[in-house]
Amino acid sequence: SAVISQKPSRDICQRGTSLTIQCQVDSQVTMMFWYRQQPGQSLTLIATANQGSEATYESGFVIDKFPISRPNLTFSTLTVSNMSPEDSSIYLCSAGTGTGGEQYFGPGTRLTVT
Amino acid sequence: EDKVVQSPLSLVVHEGDTVTLNCSYEVTNFRSLLWYKQEKKAPTFLFMLTSSGIEKKSGRLSSILDKKELSSILNITATQTGDSAIYLCAVPDSGTYKYIFGTGTRLKVLA
Repeated sequence: SAVISQKPSRDICQRGTSLTIQCQVDSQVTMMFWYRQQPGQSLTLIATANQGSEATYESGFVIDKFPISRPNLTFSTLTVSNMSPEDSSIYLCSAGTGTGGEQYFGPGTRLTVT
Repeated sequence: EDKVVQSPLSLVVHEGDTVTLNCSYEVTNFRSLLWYKQEKKAPTFLFMLTSSGIEKKSGRLSSILDKKELSSILNITATQTGDSAIYLCAVPDSGTYKYIFGTGTRLKVLA
């Protein structure tokens, strides 16, 4: 199994600002993903973080709003840019082998935008 | 389009009851099915079921995969208030490495 740390664990931000969330895995993994979970909803995939190349975004999510970096096989960041109250959510990173195997989640970041 | 559906959406039981949660899936190329428990923020991994591992058990929790019915069940026996959570199932997308999540079953166990 992989142990994933994520920070910050929570933040309250002003609208129009940006927040960068960091995700660190204790071992090299093939796949890293970023999810959003809005209140009362299931998980929504934002993007797949690709090592050394641009992230692959899901429909409805764009790089300008959610830039993602993955400089190596154990670390990734997600930035939520120009925030609005609608961005208030839990943001989760996950890591897995990418072969349909086990996937583990970080502890999550609870973001509130005022 | 690949899809995962969970039922029921929510469930309220009393301590000591046994519950069965359902997950059905539609994927072109099945590889695995994963179960998670989500209490506060992060989903915690419970089980992974595959064609070669269709039954898993850990304590009071057990899960079975029915490839013929394209579904899985998660059983919790002798429920406790600490079992109160959202239970999610997920399957890998057929054409990519991303996972498709169901909407979850919200379980509440009353003392």
